[in-house]
Amino acid sequence: NAGVTQTPKFRILKIGQSMTLQCTQDMNHNYMYWYRQDPGMGLKLIYYSVGAGITDKGEVPNGYNVSRSTTEDFPLRLELAAPSQTSVYFCASSYRGGAKTDTQYFGPGTRLTVL
Amino acid sequence: QKEVEQDPGPLSVPEGAIVSLNCTYSNSAFQYFMWYRQYSRKGPELLMYTYSSGNKEDGRFTAQVDKSSKYISLFIRDSQPSDSATYLCAMKGTDKLIFGTGTRLQVFP
Repeated sequence: NAGVTQTPKFRILKIGQSMTLQCTQDMNHNYMYWYRQDPGMGLKLIYYSVGAGITDKGEVPNGYNVSRSTTEDFPLRLELAAPSQTSVYFCASSYRGGAKTDTQYFGPGTRLTVL
Repeated sequence: QKEVEQDPGPLSVPEGAIVSLNCTYSNSAFQYFMWYRQYSRKGPELLMYTYSSGNKEDGRFTAQVDKSSKYISLFIRDSQPSDSATYLCAMKGTDKLIFGTGTRLQVFP
């Protein structure tokens, strides 16, 4: 049981390039999330998904896109990378339903630098 | 006003000290309160979870919620160097989880 895995661990992009951050969970969680963490700013929600085929915007969605074709995978796409997207990106998953407490489990993060 | 306020620290204490970490919040709809621990260059991991007001103890850790004051605390007894990390409070009502900015804690031997 690997939990939440993210690839790549590090990436440097040039302004205007695109990339996809991968996220996979093996806990059969229905909810998945993407956050970014900037120094001193806490975790900001970018996008989330309540199940396969359903996604919704979080607090800071501009410049990003997501898709959820399977329960396990929730990739985050950056189009036309900008220096403001330099951050650490965390994927998380949780189970909501019944008496479950909706605990979010986080991946190890992807450190992205845009130059 | 931010929904959740947390002192960023850093907080530096000697080994064995009692540590108190705190958050205040403004949204009275919050019912679920959590503390996450984040080691350097790692993802956050859930440390404590509390529903509504009251105390919850787990080993050296005690989480306290005072909904009347909109104030939550995490106490660490007999702190260890391995407790050195950033501690994030998080809370939610029926919708999304809202995180504090985190308090960096350093426990020195």
